[in-house]
Amino acid sequence: KAGVTQTPRYLIKTRGQQVTLSCSPISGHRSVSWYQQTPGQGLQFLFEYFSETQRNKGNFPGRFSGRQFSNSRSEMNVSTLELGDSALYLCASSLVAGEETQYFGPGTRLLVL
Amino acid sequence: GQQVMQIPQYQHVQEGEDFTTYCNSSTTLSNIQWYKQRPGGHPVFLIQLVKSGEVKKQKRLTFQFGEAKKNSSLHITATQTTDVGTYFCAGLTSGTYKYIFGTGTRLKVLA
Repeated sequence: KAGVTQTPRYLIKTRGQQVTLSCSPISGHRSVSWYQQTPGQGLQFLFEYFSETQRNKGNFPGRFSGRQFSNSRSEMNVSTLELGDSALYLCASSLVAGEETQYFGPGTRLLVL
Repeated sequence: GQQVMQIPQYQHVQEGEDFTTYCNSSTTLSNIQWYKQRPGGHPVFLIQLVKSGEVKKQKRLTFQFGEAKKNSSLHITATQTTDVGTYFCAGLTSGTYKYIFGTGTRLKVLA
C-alpha cells in the first residue's frame, strides 16, 4: 500500500499570505489528523477529520482551518501567515478515529518570511 | 489543560549502554502510543499499549504502561547507532479522539 503523501514538501511564503497544504491518506483510511511540529513546541495537534467531519480541534487560532473530501483526502489552510507559523506540518492517517495506529506523512515544511 | 511530559529531553549514551525515557500524563489515558522520529524524518509508529500495567517487548525495546494509566516508559537495552532519533509518546485522553504528544526525548548514541 502506498503511504501517506503530502504536498507540497517545501513552501516559502511571506507574512500575510495564505497557504493550502494537502494530504492523501493511505487507501482505506478514513481519519486524517494534522499536527504542527516546531523545535520549541514539539508536536501539537491541529484537528482531526473523519468522514468529512471535523471530530476534534486543538488550541489553534481560527486562521488555521481544514476540510476533508469524500475520498478522505484532506486539506489544511492557514490564512494571514505569521512568522511563528513556520513549522513542519504533518498529517497522519488511520483507519478510524482514535485508538488506532497513526501513519504519518513526510510533512510539509513551511517557512514564513 | 491536558499535558504529557516526557523526560529526559536529551540523552547521550555510549553504544551498548541502556536508555530509558519516561512519559507522564496529567490525566488518565485510554491508551498510549510510542513513535520514533529520525533526524529529518517523520514520526513512525512503534507500539500501542492499552491495558493497565501492560508490558510489551520488541527485540531490544521494552514498553510499559503504568497501573494508573497515567505514565509509560520505553527502555532500550544495549543501544545501537541505529537507535538515534527522537522518541515520542502520545496519549489518547478518555472520551476524545485526539492524541496529546509528549515533548520527546532526543537520543544520541556515541559509537
